[in-house]
Amino acid sequence: GNSVTQMEGPVTLSEEAFLTINCTYTATGYPSLFWYVQYPGEGLQLLLKATKADDKGSNKGFEATYRKETTSFHLEKGSVQVSDSAVYFCALATQGGSEKLVFGKGTKLTVNP
Amino acid sequence: DTGVSQDPRHKITKRGQNVTFRCDPISEHNRLYWYRQTLGQGPEFLTYFQNEAQLEKSRLLSDRFSAERPKGSFSTLEIQRTEQGDSAMYLCASSSSGRTYEQYFGPGTRLTVT
Repeated sequence: GNSVTQMEGPVTLSEEAFLTINCTYTATGYPSLFWYVQYPGEGLQLLLKATKADDKGSNKGFEATYRKETTSFHLEKGSVQVSDSAVYFCALATQGGSEKLVFGKGTKLTVNP
Repeated sequence: DTGVSQDPRHKITKRGQNVTFRCDPISEHNRLYWYRQTLGQGPEFLTYFQNEAQLEKSRLLSDRFSAERPKGSFSTLEIQRTEQGDSAMYLCASSSSGRTYEQYFGPGTRLTVT
């Protein structure tokens, strides 16, 4: 079945550090890939997405590139801020049917000033 | 557009009691999803509606769980004879057929079964 494996946390960084959170997937067909973010006390928000191989999703300084050859969708940011502290979830959805999301376990990021 | 809302935000119940949660999706969205999230895990799919039709249910959804979406608007999720293992955050999300990959999530209902 479809699954997502992401880097386990927690991850603690200093402000302005470089961030990478690894995500790999297993899926039949050609899934769409997502990063969702959950800030403390808030609901899940879509951060970025990519719907086909080699697409790059980007938002708020975060980027991720859909790599079909390595079945990966790693999240990166060049310079994190304290306000980026949150839990990040990698997810996939396959086309057709419900297009339900399959999530990884989440990675908690804490950015210290 | 006020986003997806869920009610209640928190529910504490005793084992064996029935509980019902409500989700109000974004008004123009015809697709509605329920997920369950336990501590330290990502959300897991429970069920999916397109308009008023329930089109998919996860194996996670035991026969104690039932969901409805009358008239294709709000949805309810009922858990009968709650068990301690039902303690979790129950999330609702909605999307439109034209942009199915963009699911918008509500704040969730946290259920604690004592």
